[in-house]
Amino acid sequence: AQKVTQAQTEISVVEKEDVTLDCVYETRDTTYYLFWYKQPPSGELVFLIRRNSFDEQNEISGRYSWNFQKSTSSFNFTITASQVVDSAVYFCAQYLIQGAQKLVFGQGTRLTINP
Amino acid sequence: EPEVTQTPSHQVTQMGQEVILRCVPISNHLYFYWYRQILGQKVEFLVSFYNNEISEKSEIFDDQFSVERPDGSNFTLKIRSTKLEDSAMYFCASRRDSGTYGYTFGSGTRLTVV
Repeated sequence: AQKVTQAQTEISVVEKEDVTLDCVYETRDTTYYLFWYKQPPSGELVFLIRRNSFDEQNEISGRYSWNFQKSTSSFNFTITASQVVDSAVYFCAQYLIQGAQKLVFGQGTRLTINP
Repeated sequence: EPEVTQTPSHQVTQMGQEVILRCVPISNHLYFYWYRQILGQKVEFLVSFYNNEISEKSEIFDDQFSVERPDGSNFTLKIRSTKLEDSAMYFCASRRDSGTYGYTFGSGTRLTVV
């Protein structure tokens, strides 16, 4: 069965601190994709990154970086030098190639960056 | 950049009324989806639609729900007799083809049932 776990329900940090959002997934499939989405207070889902199961290279995009480790089934997201505009709910999601190719989301982590 | 458009952005309806949520997917996309997010909770899959039929639906998608692609551009979600617990954000998404891994989401319709 597909399952995505984001154990951190809420995180609150002071601006400029680094913060890591954890994501652990479960699947028996060998081919899948992992995603992170940002949901600001306005409610839309903003795509941040997609990673396929064959590519374990870490990725950096500006202040954002992602650490994918198949050995621990984790796909963690780090924001460096956080800013107030980073405040949002962040969702990790998994997508299997087989079947209806639906996204299974984690519960989300509410990140608050305090000035 | 092409977008998935959802209308209305917010709809208020009385319990027991029928409601239709509308989506215009990206024009060359072939796979269509509806997801639901109850306030403060995670985003949940409702239904996927391909080649004019449902390809998969979740347990949430019971007989009160239906989907339709009536004219080749719109993709609608109908809730026949709304309940208070149907209050949620509903997201439409589309995907170009079987080789595309990931979706484009619309900005959502917030449905409030009173």
